[in-house]
Amino acid sequence: DTAVSQTPKYLVTQMGNDKSIKCEQNLGHDTMYWYKQDSKKFLKIMFSYNNKELIINETVPNRFSPKSPDKAHLNLHINSLELGDSAVYFCASSQERLGGGYTFGSGTRLTVV
Amino acid sequence: DAKTTQPNSMESNEEEPVHLPCNHSTISGTDYIHWYRQLPSQGPEYVIHGLTSNVNNRMASLAIAEDRKSSTLILHRATLRDAAVYYCILSHFFTSGTYKYIFGTGTRLKVLA
Repeated sequence: DTAVSQTPKYLVTQMGNDKSIKCEQNLGHDTMYWYKQDSKKFLKIMFSYNNKELIINETVPNRFSPKSPDKAHLNLHINSLELGDSAVYFCASSQERLGGGYTFGSGTRLTVV
Repeated sequence: DAKTTQPNSMESNEEEPVHLPCNHSTISGTDYIHWYRQLPSQGPEYVIHGLTSNVNNRMASLAIAEDRKSSTLILHRATLRDAAVYYCILSHFFTSGTYKYIFGTGTRLKVLA
């Protein structure tokens, strides 16, 4: 069983479109995250949800809107896609409060053309 | 946010120990030190973490300096499967009980057969 699963794995779309990436974890973790990895392989946090409540929002453009229907799911919706949004997006989850300990998904490669 | 500094790349011979250094001179008292690795086309994978004392697990050992301003990840016998980008990360604690990872640029480890 995949612990943190993301869909789709690859996403190619045109500028201006709206798209969503889904994430599900079956680990029973309370906290979920979205990270963005750019072309230089630099990983940066975007959002964090704890029990469906937004905890971290790292000055991400308003075009990005996370949604957590329950603590096992954290989806990412992106409006009006731009070329600069092309990246690999990773979902992660964690439970351990003392120090963290993330489990990452395998990533969604988004290409905006 | 406290940051980490790592060498861009390192090489090791197979079956030999590898010491991957990390500097984090601005670490705060509540920051944990984590190490993750990322294999090609995969999400980051947890390796080890610690706060003040040295830590051992089945994958690696973590040696933390007494002043906590640096740490070293030790792979006791490198294999070809250990070739990856290794990230030294400080987890920043939020009062909400969640942690935020601040990723650095990582060290690309090449293992020579």
